[in-house]
Amino acid sequence: DAKTTQPTSMDCAEGRAANLPCNHSTISGNEYVYWYRQIHSQGPQYIIHGLKNNETNEMASLIITEDRKSSTLILPHATLRDTAVYYCIVRGIGGSNYKLTFGKGTLLTVNP
Amino acid sequence: DTGVSQNPRHKITKRGQNVTFRCDPISEHNRLYWYRQTLGQGPEFLTYFQNEAQLEKSRLLSDRFSAERPKGSFSTLEIQRTEQGDSAMYLCASSITGVMNTEAFFGQGTRLTVV
Repeated sequence: DAKTTQPTSMDCAEGRAANLPCNHSTISGNEYVYWYRQIHSQGPQYIIHGLKNNETNEMASLIITEDRKSSTLILPHATLRDTAVYYCIVRGIGGSNYKLTFGKGTLLTVNP
Repeated sequence: DTGVSQNPRHKITKRGQNVTFRCDPISEHNRLYWYRQTLGQGPEFLTYFQNEAQLEKSRLLSDRFSAERPKGSFSTLEIQRTEQGDSAMYLCASSITGVMNTEAFFGQGTRLTVV
C-alpha cells in the first residue's frame, strides 16, 4: 500500500470547517483513500473513502486532487466532539487488500 | 448494540501470566481482524480471519500469541507468558466480503497492562 503523510497536529475553532490534508504521492490507480478517526480511548471509526471523485456523506467530505497525489478531509462545522486523531490510509481493492495500514495520523483539536 | 464488542475493556496482569480477550463481531460480518496499538502510534495489524480460517498472521504475532475463531463467529486472542512489552490496546474489527472491500468496524478495544 502507498505511504501517506499527514501533519502531526492541527487546531480548529468550533463551528468552523476543519480541513485535514494528506499526501499520498505514490498511490496507484487501483488504490482508494480511506479516512478513519479515533477519539481518545475508543476504537477507530470509519469516516469516508474515495477513488478519484469527491465524496460526501453525513460526516465529512473528501476532496481528491486530479492527480490523486493528495486529498483533503473536510469537516464542515467542527464540534468539540470531533477532537480526535484522524488517519488517512491508502488501500487497494480486492480480496487480498483487507488490512489497514495506519500511520500516526493528525491530532485535530477543536477549540471552543 | 449491534457493533463490534470486546471484552474485557481493561485487563491488568502480572508478567508471566496468560490472558485471553474476546471479540464478538457484527453478526453478518465474515471477516475479523485483530490490531494492536501502543501509546502514540496508530493501530498495527496482527491477524485476519475469513470465517473460521486464519488467513494471515503478522510477524508481530509471536509464538506466545494465538488467535482463534471457532465456527466463524466470535474470536479470542490469547497471550501466553505476558511481558511488559505486551502492554497495549488490542483492537478487533470486522467487515463483510463484497465486490470490493467494505469498511472495517472497530470495537472499543481491550487495554492490557502488564505489571
